[in-house]
Amino acid sequence: DIQMTQSPSTLSASVGDRVTITCRASQTIGTSLAWYQQEPGKAPKLLIYKASTLESGVPSRFSGSGSVTEFTLTISSLQPDDFATYYCQQYNSYWTFGQGTKVEVK
Amino acid sequence: EVHLVESGGGMVQPGGSLRLSCAASGFTFSSYWMTWVRQAPGKGLERVATIKQDGTDKYYVDSVRGRFTVSRDNANNSVCLQMNTLRAEDSAVYYCARLSSRSWPYYFDFWGQGTLVTVSP
Repeated sequence: DIQMTQSPSTLSASVGDRVTITCRASQTIGTSLAWYQQEPGKAPKLLIYKASTLESGVPSRFSGSGSVTEFTLTISSLQPDDFATYYCQQYNSYWTFGQGTKVEVK
Repeated sequence: EVHLVESGGGMVQPGGSLRLSCAASGFTFSSYWMTWVRQAPGKGLERVATIKQDGTDKYYVDSVRGRFTVSRDNANNSVCLQMNTLRAEDSAVYYCARLSSRSWPYYFDFWGQGTLVTVSP
């Protein structure tokens, strides 16, 4: 099974900050990686797929990069709605999620 | 607009059974893979079961294989998860999600709001 490891687990930041979350796969997954945002008490929402393609309707301050085993999610200027938990997911071989990164108010 | 509405959650004793349902609307249901994902309280996401458009292929996480069964009814735009021999560690919010059909391999592009399952004596 492919394991996904996110870092950090928790990130403290302020509105306007640039934020970067890292996701590593235990084996090569090409660009078969998605990022999801989950606000407290809500369902996850797709942000990015194919490592760097922004889902329709997602603000352009979100961006994704990477390939093979190393990936990043960047929020260029953190907004109040962005305080949430973010998950990466590989879908190259079945489907597995990272453990999540909580972005909290500094 | 895509809508996925889960139902059937509740409290059940260990060893018991529960059947979850997900009603889909706003898209051609029979053209999409569907999946169930769960989230234990305060924990991360875990894919549980996934089913192909016509129901011929099904994939389960190891921890539920042999206890859970995923099925679908394309005539009624629904997908179900039959959960047997439930354990305390199965307690979670269960989400129904749709797999994108843009190109294989597929990721999860729409999610329902979830239904809570609690396994407790």
